[in-house]
Amino acid sequence: AQTVTQSQPEMSVQEAETVTLSCTYDTSESDYYLFWYKQPPSRQMILVIRQEAYKQQNATENRFSVNFQKAAKSFSLKISDSQLGDAAMYFCAYRSPYNNNDMRFGAGTRLTVKP
Amino acid sequence: DSGVTQTPKHLITATGQRVTLRCSPRSGDLSVYWYQQSLDQGLQFLIQYYNGEERAKGNILERFSAQQFPDLHSELNLSSLELGDSALYFCASSVGLDRASYEQYFGPGTRLTVT
Repeated sequence: AQTVTQSQPEMSVQEAETVTLSCTYDTSESDYYLFWYKQPPSRQMILVIRQEAYKQQNATENRFSVNFQKAAKSFSLKISDSQLGDAAMYFCAYRSPYNNNDMRFGAGTRLTVKP
Repeated sequence: DSGVTQTPKHLITATGQRVTLRCSPRSGDLSVYWYQQSLDQGLQFLIQYYNGEERAKGNILERFSAQQFPDLHSELNLSSLELGDSALYFCASSVGLDRASYEQYFGPGTRLTVT
């Protein structure tokens, strides 16, 4: 079964600085999808960025980018120019296209942004 | 706003009781997923329905059941409730089951408190 590991329970960053959140996963599949979700205090799950495993190019969405290392099964999220509104729990998630599409989530990283 | 709606937003009930959580997927989405998020933990996949039929089961207790109706809305039934069932329950939807449907859209969640 696929597992997702986020080894940093908590991270903090100074406003306007850059922070990287780590995620590793375990799978025997060659094709899959990876996601980062943000969960602010409102508890809404907000999709931040997604990556298809067959794409070599790292995904980027404005200030958010990923470093996808398929061989190492690593999928880190970089937040540039951090803003106070970035403070939230961040979840890494894996989705298989073969297994009825259910999503496997990591335990999350709580990001604090210091003014 | 993801387009997925969940009711109620909050639910407080006593041990031993039964509750029903409701989810309406995005317009056009045929697949519905239910997830459970216990305090400060990642989301655990419970069950998936596609066009009225159960497609996949995750870590769902026998006390829990779900169904998807012809109008595609779904209900999650939780019975013989225990204190440990207190959690945030998310519903998500996607278009279908094929590779193009890899993205799931999450509702705002229902917070269940069992006292």
